[in-house]
Amino acid sequence: EVVLTQSPGTLSLSPGERATLSCRANQRLTSGYLAWYQQKPGQAPRLLIYGASRRATGIPDRFSGSGSGTDFTLIISSIEPEDFAVYYCQHYNNPPPWTFGQGTKVEIK
Amino acid sequence: EVELVESGGGLVQPGGSLRLSCTASGFTSNSYAMNWVRQAPGKGLEWVSTISGTGFNTYLEDSVKGRFTISRDNSKNTVYLEMNDLRVQDTAVYYCARKGYSPLGAFDIWGQGTMVTVSS
Repeated sequence: EVVLTQSPGTLSLSPGERATLSCRANQRLTSGYLAWYQQKPGQAPRLLIYGASRRATGIPDRFSGSGSGTDFTLIISSIEPEDFAVYYCQHYNNPPPWTFGQGTKVEIK
Repeated sequence: EVELVESGGGLVQPGGSLRLSCTASGFTSNSYAMNWVRQAPGKGLEWVSTISGTGFNTYLEDSVKGRFTISRDNSKNTVYLEMNDLRVQDTAVYYCARKGYSPLGAFDIWGQGTMVTVSS
């Protein structure tokens, strides 16, 4: 089973700063079936990035994803007040199970 | 508007049963694999189950195998999660999510979630 480990657990930033979130897999993920989601309190998750680097519909270009193999990164180039949330990575290569990382909380410094 | 609406959650005693429903609108659901993801209070996301567009292929997370069943009725644009022998650790918000159509498609549409509480 694929295990995803996200770091850091919490990231404290000021608006306008750059956020770098990491997601590491315990085995190589073929074909980049890696997604990133944003979740705010009391809301359902929202897809940000799929295929490791492709932005989902309507996602601002300050969000970018990269990586391959076992190491993946989500970058928020200049964090806005509405970006403070919890971020999860997920692998979804067939067949399931499709695991999530434990999440990174991005909080206001 | 593309939307998923879950229903069927509630309070149940350990060992009890519930059936969750997820009704899709704004798209033809039989073209998409559908999923259930849960989130225990204060915890992260956990994938629970997936069903292919035709309903032919189903998958379950290990801790729910033998207790949960996923199914779908494409004539009603609805996916179900039948949950039996519920345990306290099954307490969570259960989300329905659509897997995108393309090969690289991830969980692109989510419902608002339905709360399941297992407690005596």
